[in-house]
Amino acid sequence: AQSVSQHNHHVILSEAASLELGCNYSYGGTVNLFWYVQYPGQHLQLLLKYFSGDPLVKGIKGFEAEFIKSKFSFNLRKPSVQWSDTAEYFCAVNAPLGFQKLVFGTGTRLLVSP
Amino acid sequence: SQTIHQWPATLVQPVGSPLSLECTVEGTSNPNLYWYRQAAGRGLQLLFYSVGIGQISSEVPQNLSASRPQDRQFILSSKKLLLSDSGFYLCAWSVSGGNGYTFGSGTRLTVV
Repeated sequence: AQSVSQHNHHVILSEAASLELGCNYSYGGTVNLFWYVQYPGQHLQLLLKYFSGDPLVKGIKGFEAEFIKSKFSFNLRKPSVQWSDTAEYFCAVNAPLGFQKLVFGTGTRLLVSP
Repeated sequence: SQTIHQWPATLVQPVGSPLSLECTVEGTSNPNLYWYRQAAGRGLQLLFYSVGIGQISSEVPQNLSASRPQDRQFILSSKKLLLSDSGFYLCAWSVSGGNGYTFGSGTRLTVV
């Protein structure tokens, strides 16, 4: 079955620190990849997505992610985090020609201290 | 424009009572529809998805069921709630191909 692994369950950083959240998926075919964010008390929002083309994807609020096909990875990065980035981050994958349901990782809770 | 409505926002139900959560989509036709549950420490778990009227796929064995009586209506139900059914339930839709998803605002269900 398709699965998504987010190995960092809780991350604590100070403001201005760099962030990298890991995401690995298990599926051998063509995939679409997503990162979603859920700020405290708010709805799930799309940060960025990869469908094809340039494997380095830029999203909102200074986030970016790099798709490395050989590693089945789609890690999320931000060079300098802010207190307002405190949230839960979810990686997700689907297969446009295969399983169209969106499969999520278990999420990473990020706490940024001021 | 395309919107998704999900209600109620919060619900407190006793153990053994029935459940019905409704989700409707506007501004699109023949969407793929999904029910997810978000439980503490477990991320977002796909419960059911539907690619058409009356077509329901169940992802995990559980105490819940889903139905799609109309093209843009997706209902999550239970005949008798368990304590373990507590959680945050999200409805979502996507177009065929799954290139984009829109999530509802969610229902927080507490079974007491």
